[in-house]
Amino acid sequence: DAKTTQPNSMESNEEEPVHLPCNHSTISGTDYIHWYRQLPSQGPEYVIHGLTSNVNNRMASLAIAEDRKSSTLILHRATLRDAAVYYCISNSGYALNFGKGTSLLVTP
Amino acid sequence: DADVTQTPRNRITKTGKRIMLECSQTKGHDRMYWYRQDPGLGLRLIYYSFDVKDINKGEISDGYSVSRQAQAKFSLSLESAIPNQTALYFCATSDPGGGGAYEQFFGPGTRLTVL
Repeated sequence: DAKTTQPNSMESNEEEPVHLPCNHSTISGTDYIHWYRQLPSQGPEYVIHGLTSNVNNRMASLAIAEDRKSSTLILHRATLRDAAVYYCISNSGYALNFGKGTSLLVTP
Repeated sequence: DADVTQTPRNRITKTGKRIMLECSQTKGHDRMYWYRQDPGLGLRLIYYSFDVKDINKGEISDGYSVSRQAQAKFSLSLESAIPNQTALYFCATSDPGGGGAYEQFFGPGTRLTVL
């Protein structure tokens, strides 16, 4: 599993797009990139995952660099309910290795 | 009803006491996990189970034990609780997925305080 590096915190205005970066320069060919988020006083929830190609779902988009050493989680229109800690995880095995994540603040 | 439930939600206990945290799931998943989260930190894996007969240690298993009573139930025990086990504990489940391609579903957490 690759180590990931994320900014400690980011801030966004409501209804604007948010780009959350993640560096995973030691990623191996079989490592997936996962994003989870944790809202205050809740357990983590799945956001999105990918291997090589960009991915879209109802919550977000995941843009993966061509060399796979970095990725970006994109929230297309941030809402106040998106304020959370976002974890970028790179793994190929049985469990998820959570770092400290990025704390996203969304202001009205 | 929630797919992954944890009981109790909050517990205060004293040093040296034995305590059990319980997790139940209705998702039909074979894989279950126990994590702990300390303030300001991410989650760390304590134990995981791929099926009823398969139990494995995670990153920080010392001081903890687990029991997989059924596919749907996975319990975490602290045989003799100590203050540095004060933390937020999360249970999670998942399908096997392909390699690392799987989604984990988390319970609401149990806040444990050891005095």
